[in-house]
Amino acid sequence: ETGVTQSPTHLIKTRGQQVTLRCSSQSGHNTVSWYQQALGQGPQFIFQYYREEENGRGNFPPRFSGLQFPNYSSELNVNALELDDSALYLCASSFDSNPSPLHFGNGTRLTVT
Amino acid sequence: RKEVEQDPGPFNVPEGATVAFNCTYSNSASQSFFWYRQDCRKEPKLLMSVYSSGNEDGRFTAQLNRASQYISLLIRDSKLSDSATYLCVVMGNFNKFYFGSGTKLNVKP
Repeated sequence: ETGVTQSPTHLIKTRGQQVTLRCSSQSGHNTVSWYQQALGQGPQFIFQYYREEENGRGNFPPRFSGLQFPNYSSELNVNALELDDSALYLCASSFDSNPSPLHFGNGTRLTVT
Repeated sequence: RKEVEQDPGPFNVPEGATVAFNCTYSNSASQSFFWYRQDCRKEPKLLMSVYSSGNEDGRFTAQLNRASQYISLLIRDSKLSDSATYLCVVMGNFNKFYFGSGTKLNVKP
């Protein structure tokens, strides 16, 4: 059973640029969610994808967008990067049965300068 | 008001001590509850689910009090390797997961 994998592990961008982060879900999982974790804080829910559609969103602006593909992998896109976007971005997969714990990838550490 | 609130700590305890963390949640309709452990600069990992009747996994015991809307985690016989941040997680409507800010535990020799 393969776990959740994310790429890249680290990324440095400058303010105003765009970034795409990638996530492959754990085998057998059909739901992917993305979280932003700033230093010293808990993960904050960005959005969730189920069957290639967004089915839940947290308090993040529209410049945060995503996709889910037929194989359940997912992308997080952030446009017009701001300094405050610097954080650990975590992808988690789960199965849509209730309740279903989240299984996280190693995360992508994004630094915006 | 935050969905999930935790005491950030840190809790500094000697090896062998018993330590307890509490967490409160705001949405009385919350469905499922979990404790996750996060080591420095690593991803959160599931420690245990929390069931209504309470549950135990080795040195770890989790309790849920729906009437007061809080969850607890008890760690007995603390080990150095228990040093980490413990995240309280609540699943609300539409399978959305809400995380607390975490409670930091330092176990000292």
